[in-house]
Amino acid sequence: GAVVSQHPSWVICKSGTSVKIECRSLDFQATTMFWYRQFPKQSLMLMATSNEGSKATYEQGVEKDKFLINHASLTLSTLTVTSAHPEDSSFYICSALPLAGGKTQYFGPGTRLLVL
Amino acid sequence: AQRVTQPEKLLSVFKGAPVELKCNYSYSGSPELFWYVQYSRQRLQLLLRHISRESIKGFTADLNKGETSFHLKKPFAQEEDSAMYYCALHSGGYQKVTFGIGTKLQVIP
Repeated sequence: GAVVSQHPSWVICKSGTSVKIECRSLDFQATTMFWYRQFPKQSLMLMATSNEGSKATYEQGVEKDKFLINHASLTLSTLTVTSAHPEDSSFYICSALPLAGGKTQYFGPGTRLLVL
Repeated sequence: AQRVTQPEKLLSVFKGAPVELKCNYSYSGSPELFWYVQYSRQRLQLLLRHISRESIKGFTADLNKGETSFHLKKPFAQEEDSAMYYCALHSGGYQKVTFGIGTKLQVIP
């Protein structure tokens, strides 16, 4: 149980285009989902906290208009990288916190984005 | 500001040798510390948390508030322990997680 999926697993896009990444909790409902990015040989950095039905809370230094987050249901959160640039190329990982309680976050497998 | 420090990016040990992955933290409140593990080509997963005081796969970790440390230990390393290990500090009502940079454990047969 407690599986989180991400789609797509990898994506290549041209500079200036927008890319949407989906994060789904497959067998549980999640009140809160988190979005991280990870650069090569670096740690996961929290980008934003997404709560179902409300606006996401962004970490300092993360552009809200650049990284649009939508958490429309208890099983789905999306991250849209708008007007992507090569410096946005990274590994994006989501995690979900079950509605049932507890503090264990369940992580998705990640999405690798390459912007040309 | 909260911070998690893992001083070693790579730790190589021989099979059967003891393992200690170091983690130090900085946090003004009451910390909740976790260890996460990522095996090759797999997703990040929880290994253990300090509240549970449990032993998972032979690993233990004790929170030392005096030294602000949460080192991960195992008496006898196994080849299947080779993985990336992240120390993490949970805080805030929404369980914000601050990760360390990670330590790659390489167990040599």
